[in-house]
Amino acid sequence: KAGVTQTPRYLIKTRGQQVTLSCSPISGHRSVSWYQQTPGQGLQFLFEYFSETQRNKGNFPGRFSGRQFSNSRSEMNVSTLELGDSALYLCASSRDGDTEAFFGQGTRLTVV
Amino acid sequence: TQLLEQSPQFLSIQEGENLTVYCNSSSVFSSLQWYRQEPGEGPVLLVTVVTGGEVKKLKRLTFQFGDARKDSSLHITAAQPGDTGLYLCAGAPSGGGADGLTFGKGTHLIIQP
Repeated sequence: KAGVTQTPRYLIKTRGQQVTLSCSPISGHRSVSWYQQTPGQGLQFLFEYFSETQRNKGNFPGRFSGRQFSNSRSEMNVSTLELGDSALYLCASSRDGDTEAFFGQGTRLTVV
Repeated sequence: TQLLEQSPQFLSIQEGENLTVYCNSSSVFSSLQWYRQEPGEGPVLLVTVVTGGEVKKLKRLTFQFGDARKDSSLHITAAQPGDTGLYLCAGAPSGGGADGLTFGKGTHLIIQP
């Protein structure tokens, strides 16, 4: 069974640009969550999608958004990038009703 | 806001030694999970504990959930270099909630040969 796949693995962007990250969950998992990981703050919850609807949202500005498609694949978008957005962005998928999260390898975003 | 505090933040020990990592909160969680993360990779789930007082063993790793479901510990016996990594605890909100999993900041563990 394939794991969670995130693309791209690495990205370098300039301040002010926008970026879109992609996540394909484990087959059969309909819940997809996104997290931001930084050395100072650790892993912080961004949002969760289930059946194409945002079900939960963390405490991040509106520049961070996401969506989920009918095949459960998800994308997250960050607009007007800031230097502080440099981080490892992790996607995790879960079975419905299950809190256990299975993570992808992450996308390392560097904003210069 | 639910917070999880892990201690110690960093631990470097010799191969063969034992160690314990702690995860504490003032909040009650419906379940608590432990993950290990290696550089450049995503966290990998090790175990989930659900019942207060529950103890689970995974080879040389022993996980315990506090009676009040507010804290947990991870004990490693006879640590090996392959145990090196970032250990993260994560709590699922009690009674449901809109915050997703709450993660501790992790314990960086280095096992020296």
